[in-house]
Amino acid sequence: DAKTTQPTSMDCAEGRAANLPCNHSTISGNEYVYWYRQIHSQGPQYIIHGLKNNETNEMASLIITEDRKSSTLILPHATLRDTAVYYCIVRTRGSQGNLIFGKGTKLSVKP
Amino acid sequence: DTAVSQTPKYLVTQMGNDKSIKCEQNLGHDTMYWYKQDSKKFLKIMFSYNNKELIINETVPNRFSPKSPDKAHLNLHINSLELGDSAVYFCASSQEGGLNQPQHFGDGTRLSIL
Repeated sequence: DAKTTQPTSMDCAEGRAANLPCNHSTISGNEYVYWYRQIHSQGPQYIIHGLKNNETNEMASLIITEDRKSSTLILPHATLRDTAVYYCIVRTRGSQGNLIFGKGTKLSVKP
Repeated sequence: DTAVSQTPKYLVTQMGNDKSIKCEQNLGHDTMYWYKQDSKKFLKIMFSYNNKELIINETVPNRFSPKSPDKAHLNLHINSLELGDSAVYFCASSQEGGLNQPQHFGDGTRLSIL
């Protein structure tokens, strides 16, 4: 199964862009990169996912490198409510499509 | 409208009891899941159901049994509860369970065993 590596924690100033990196050097060609976040005491919230191309939705942008070995989740204007643990997950056939959660990155947005 | 809803939100019970947690989704999805988040905050898949058929069963004790009365519901029954079962249990759903279909989660059921 493709594994991911994320920093344990990051800080971001309110109103600034938050850029969360993720390494997934063993990713295979048909495996998707997913991002979820978990705000304290709530269920994991789907943010965005992609295969090869960069993706953007109302919550965030996902930038995937050309070799697909890493990606960056961008929250363009972080707010205090974006403080959460962010999980980068590579979804594989080997795991039968299940989400394998790691430790994630604890993002703290500060005033 | 809550997409994936679980009841109860909190469940406190004694060791040895049998309990159930209910999950309903109104997204029209055909695959539902149960995850367990332990005290160390690790989230792990327990089960998934597709069209009333169990397609994944991780190394979960057989005291845990998922039951799906219809496509919109996947309930979790737990027999002979043990202290180690204390955790937060999350239900999720997706369309078809494919790699390109995101899973959407409920807000969890916090189970505490006394």
